[in-house]
Amino acid sequence: NAGVTQTPKFQVLKTGQSMTLQCAQDMNHNSMYWYRQDPGMGLRLIYYSASEGTTDKGEVPNGYNVSRLNKREFSLRLESAAPSQTSVYFCASSEASGQVYNEQFFGPGTRLTVL
Amino acid sequence: QQPVQSPQAVILREGEDAVINCSSSKALYSVHWYRQKHGEAPVFLMILLKGGEQKGHDKISASFNEKKQQSSLYLTASQLSYSGTYFCGTLFSGGYNKLIFGAGTRLAVHP
Repeated sequence: NAGVTQTPKFQVLKTGQSMTLQCAQDMNHNSMYWYRQDPGMGLRLIYYSASEGTTDKGEVPNGYNVSRLNKREFSLRLESAAPSQTSVYFCASSEASGQVYNEQFFGPGTRLTVL
Repeated sequence: QQPVQSPQAVILREGEDAVINCSSSKALYSVHWYRQKHGEAPVFLMILLKGGEQKGHDKISASFNEKKQQSSLYLTASQLSYSGTYFCGTLFSGGYNKLIFGAGTRLAVHP
């Protein structure tokens, strides 16, 4: 049981380049999330997907797009990377149904540097 | 809407106690606590729900004061393994687990 996996672990981009961060979970969770973490800022939600086929914006969605490919996979795309997007990106998943709120399981993170 | 955590940092010796607070200016539905060690992913500790229900770690306790919109995490008889950054995540209502996290409290436990 791998839990939540993310690829790549590290990435360096030049300003204006595009890339896709991949995330997959094997816990049969309905909900998946993308966060970014900057020093002193905690975790900020970029996008989330409550269930397969749905996505919605979080706190800081500008400059990002997401795709919930199937129940297992949730990808984050940077169309034109900017230095302000240098951060650590975490994917997470949880089982959230009805009014029952459950813990989120986080992946190991992707460390992205935009030059 | 980001919850405010206090203190920002704590230094303890093994065996000492600490309290970490998380406050919101907006009515809360639930508060989640996570711990993150340096270079690792956050790990779930506790969920506290409006109405008093709790779920989580059996060696760490927490409280949720609905009137004050505040939660406190109690770390007693601290161990070296407690070191890390503690984040509270707040959920205002519904929202499919759409948490808003505080900036974190750094805890260092020394021998």
